Amino acid sequence: EVQLVESGGGLVQPGGSLRLSCADSGFTFSSYWMSWVRQAPGKGLEWVANIKQDGSEKYYVDSVKGRFTISRDNAKNSLYLQMNSLRAEDTALYYCASHSSGWYIDSWGQGTLVTVSS
Amino acid sequence: DIQLTQSPSFLSASVGDRVTITCRASQGISRYLAWYQQKPGKAPNLLISGASTLQSGVPSRFSGSGSGTEFTLTISSLQPEDFATYYCQQLNDYPLTFGPGTKVDIK
Repeated sequence: EVQLVESGGGLVQPGGSLRLSCADSGFTFSSYWMSWVRQAPGKGLEWVANIKQDGSEKYYVDSVKGRFTISRDNAKNSLYLQMNSLRAEDTALYYCASHSSGWYIDSWGQGTLVTVSS
Repeated sequence: DIQLTQSPSFLSASVGDRVTITCRASQGISRYLAWYQQKPGKAPNLLISGASTLQSGVPSRFSGSGSGTEFTLTISSLQPEDFATYYCQQLNDYPLTFGPGTKVDIK
């Protein structure tokens, strides 16, 4: 069973950086594509990025390309999101999610809140 | 990018009602569509994958249909625990995109 726990969120100034982490306490982390999905306060869901099982393929939404980097460490059952040049519009609850139902996202963490404000 | 629209954006219904939510894609996505339910303060929950495959543990009152550009989520008899926001998501092409959501509220 996939159990995802995010950490690393917090308050950061515009232009700053933050690194989010997601730990999977299950035993199948390396079997799945993994995604980050965010939700701004009171708003809908936005897919941010995903990464293939072996890290060889990574995809991003246009608004974060060149600023965010997704990575994973299968030995540590962990997913990461390095966020640089943060903007106010990046303020959101960031979910770690696993494509554990075929290609579909079937498991989610509880989210970690990122607030970009001066 | 593939845009998804949902209608209605808000729906007021009573327990026992039949509810239908529509998701339209700006271009064909075959059947690479998922439906999620999200309750306040909680992560989304996958209800349906592949446009019509009900996930394990999801009540049979939920069903999905469609292909190409038009999809529907139907709740055959609305229950109190179904009041939530519903999102569609396309996984046919990058960037993966979500619809704007449909909030189902109590009438």
